[in-house]
Amino acid sequence: AQSVSQHNHHVILSEAASLELGCNYSYGGTVNLFWYVQYPGQHLQLLLKYFSGDPLVKGIKGFEAEFIKSKFSFNLRKPSVQWSDTAEYFCAAMNYGGATNKLIFGTGTLLAVQP
Amino acid sequence: NAGVTQTPKFQVLKTGQSMTLQCAQDMNHEYMSWYRQDPGMGLRLIHYSVGAGITDQGEVPNGYNVSRSTTEDFPLRLLSAAPSQTSVYFCASSYSTSGGSGQFFGPGTRLTVL
Repeated sequence: AQSVSQHNHHVILSEAASLELGCNYSYGGTVNLFWYVQYPGQHLQLLLKYFSGDPLVKGIKGFEAEFIKSKFSFNLRKPSVQWSDTAEYFCAAMNYGGATNKLIFGTGTLLAVQP
Repeated sequence: NAGVTQTPKFQVLKTGQSMTLQCAQDMNHEYMSWYRQDPGMGLRLIHYSVGAGITDQGEVPNGYNVSRSTTEDFPLRLLSAAPSQTSVYFCASSYSTSGGSGQFFGPGTRLTVL
């Protein structure tokens, strides 16, 4: 079955620390990959997405993610986090051209940045 | 554009009651979907639609019905509410059925079933 795994459920960092959140997917074929962010009390917003081409994708607010096909991974990174990055982060995947067109989310990683 | 709108924002039901969560988008998006968000479980796909008249089941469809008679609207019906359906429900839409544009999410409906 298609699934998305996020192994870090809760991450606590100090401001200016570097961030890497793990995401692995189990899909066959071509996948579209996404990272979404949910700030406290708000709904989900798209951070970045990968369809094809350069495996290093840059998104908003200084975030980037690297697609490594051999590892079925799409990890999210930021060199220096800020207090305002405190939020919940969700990885998601969808088979491109598949019969089901289901966008499946991981369980999320709650990031707390301490000032 | 209003984007994706959901009504109501909050709802309390008794076990066994039925209700419809409304979702509408004004972006002419083909792809619409419903998710529920529960602590520690992320977002789970309930039902989705790739266009008017076409719906399909997601990961957790039991206890929910959907229909898509127009491009704009995608209501979610709870047939007989159960406490296990207490959750926050999000509707989402995207231009492409491949999710290419990324999903636009509504503000959510917080449902409590007593």
